[in-house]
Amino acid sequence: AQSVTQLDSHVSVSEGTPVLLRCNYSSSYSPSLFWYVQHPNKGLQLLLKYTSAATLVKGINGFEAEFKKSETSFHLTKPSAHMSDAAEYFCVVRGGPTDKLIFGTGTRLQVFP
Amino acid sequence: DVKVTQSSRYLVKRTGEKVFLECVQDMDHENMFWYRQDPGLGLRLIYFSYDVKMKEKGDIPEGYSVSREKKERFSLILESASTNQTSMYLCASSSGTRGKNTEAFFGQGTRLTVV
Repeated sequence: AQSVTQLDSHVSVSEGTPVLLRCNYSSSYSPSLFWYVQHPNKGLQLLLKYTSAATLVKGINGFEAEFKKSETSFHLTKPSAHMSDAAEYFCVVRGGPTDKLIFGTGTRLQVFP
Repeated sequence: DVKVTQSSRYLVKRTGEKVFLECVQDMDHENMFWYRQDPGLGLRLIYFSYDVKMKEKGDIPEGYSVSREKKERFSLILESASTNQTSMYLCASSSGTRGKNTEAFFGQGTRLTVV
């Protein structure tokens, strides 16, 4: 069985400070992992994905994530938050004999000026 | 660009009505998905389809059915709408055969209110 846990439901940062959104996964297979972002009243957009190539993955808008198998983690980071980063972020796991995507419950990021 | 189009952004239906939510993708993707999104619960998979006329139950299929008669179209059906089905519904599609992992592309969502 596969699952994903987002450790924080809300994260608040000041503009210009680092962002860390935490995600742990569980999978019986070699997983593919994704981060999606959802801005208010918008659809989901792919930020980045890990598919067993490089463990440090760079995405759009300056975000990156590191796959750590020993810790079963795939945390999302950004060195310097921007006001436009305020959104909800979802960590997603996929793998095994089906193509189902399993979503975490989401982390809402607030960015203060 | 991949485009996944859901037929309605907002719907209001009465309890007991039969409701159809339509989704069309234009990239010849094999896989299509229906999720519902509720605050604090993330996205939960209702049904998915990996080929025409093929479907599999997701985590919360009760009260829903699906139809995939053509590769590009995946319909979600609420046989008898109830107030607890008030939610945001998201359709997605992805390429690849089963076991090949690629990202999914999402529609804009349909906010359904059942009164």
